[in-house]
Amino acid sequence: GNSVTQMEGPVTLSEEAFLTINCTYTATGYPSLFWYVQYPGEGLQLLLKATKADDKGSNKGFEATYRKETTSFHLEKGSVQVSDSAVYFCALIILGGGGADGLTFGKGTHLIIQP
Amino acid sequence: AAGVIQSPRHLIKEKRETATLKCYPIPRHDTVYWYQQGPGQDPQFLISFYEKMQSDKGSIPDRFSAQQFSDYHSELNMSSLELGDSALYFCASSFGGEQFFGPGTRLTVL
Repeated sequence: GNSVTQMEGPVTLSEEAFLTINCTYTATGYPSLFWYVQYPGEGLQLLLKATKADDKGSNKGFEATYRKETTSFHLEKGSVQVSDSAVYFCALIILGGGGADGLTFGKGTHLIIQP
Repeated sequence: AAGVIQSPRHLIKEKRETATLKCYPIPRHDTVYWYQQGPGQDPQFLISFYEKMQSDKGSIPDRFSAQQFSDYHSELNMSSLELGDSALYFCASSFGGEQFFGPGTRLTVL
């Protein structure tokens, strides 16, 4: 089956530090990859996505590159802010199978940015 | 822009009671998905509907059922509630691609 593994949290950084959250996956087909962010008490918001190998998704200073050879989709940001504190989920989906497939999520990484 | 609407936002039930959660997708979206997120857990896919037909099934208990209606809204029916059903239930909708999530319904079973 499909699975996503991401680094355990919480991850605590100081403001303006460099961020990396690791994500690796296993999939039965060719997945599309996503990072979602969940702020306290809120729903899931799509942060960025990549649909094929070597694609780079980017949004709000966050980036992730789809690496097929290492089955990875690590999230990075050059300078984090206090407002980036949230839980980040890596996820995948296999599209084109003829059904409305659900996303497979990782366990989530709680990011805490201290001023 | 219109977003996915879920109701109610909060629900408190007793064990063995039933609950109905509603989801109103973004206009013109034809696919609805349901997810369950336990405390401190990742969201787990329950079930999806495309054009009012069940499309894919995940880890949905037999006590739960769902359907999508002619106006594309969807309802998740949960019977014989257990303490372990306490969770945040998300609905998402899509039109051929990206899933957009609603704010969730927080169900507490006492």
